[in-house]
Amino acid sequence: AQKITQTQPGMFVQEKEAVTLDCTYDTSDPSYGLFWYKQPSSGEMIFLIYQGSYDQQNATEGRYSLNFQKARKSANLVISASQLGDSAMYFCAMRELISTGANSKLTFGKGITLSVRP
Amino acid sequence: GAGVSQSPSNKVTEKGKDVELRCDPISGHTALYWYRQSLGQGLEFLIYFQGNSAPDKSGLPSDRFSAERTGGSVSTLTIQRTQQEDSAVYLCASSAASGGRRGSGELFFGEGSRLTVL
Repeated sequence: AQKITQTQPGMFVQEKEAVTLDCTYDTSDPSYGLFWYKQPSSGEMIFLIYQGSYDQQNATEGRYSLNFQKARKSANLVISASQLGDSAMYFCAMRELISTGANSKLTFGKGITLSVRP
Repeated sequence: GAGVSQSPSNKVTEKGKDVELRCDPISGHTALYWYRQSLGQGLEFLIYFQGNSAPDKSGLPSDRFSAERTGGSVSTLTIQRTQQEDSAVYLCASSAASGGRRGSGELFFGEGSRLTVL
């Protein structure tokens, strides 16, 4: 089974509106971390936000927030007030902290392409 | 600079030749990762080094692929007898033993080495 599932087709959003990018995950590890990365057309990987499985509150970083629903195993990224520069590919990733250890590999989803319309 | 440095940025080779890709991680980062990204796809884990521990080679697709990390710093990914299906962007990343944003231990990526096998 895939550990990280991102199934949305290409997403479109109007500038200044909010958009939610979906991510579901599968793990039996009781302790894990969830990450979102942005990859613009230039190819660089930019870290956006992190959520630990035991964090009591949903993570926020500026215009980015993570809608973490542990029971449903979902970690959706919410981008508020979209900007043209948000057009990129977005990847959800997971690190399983008990089975593979702290600082171990991240397992990535296949990504979602977001296009922001002016 | 202070980021992860990869070379070469582009490599074109003929089928059957060997290639070496180099990664210089962020100074002080103990963990180093190699990923592969085919066109428009997600990131495929290849190998992970953590300090003096045995590397996690579970993602290497065949015995034509190998990697080493000398002195706990620079790493070289070697692909022997290249095949056309090896064409991809090879991304290197590093992370600190602890810290990062909210203790996430996020990965910092280089700009990648684009490999084209003719």
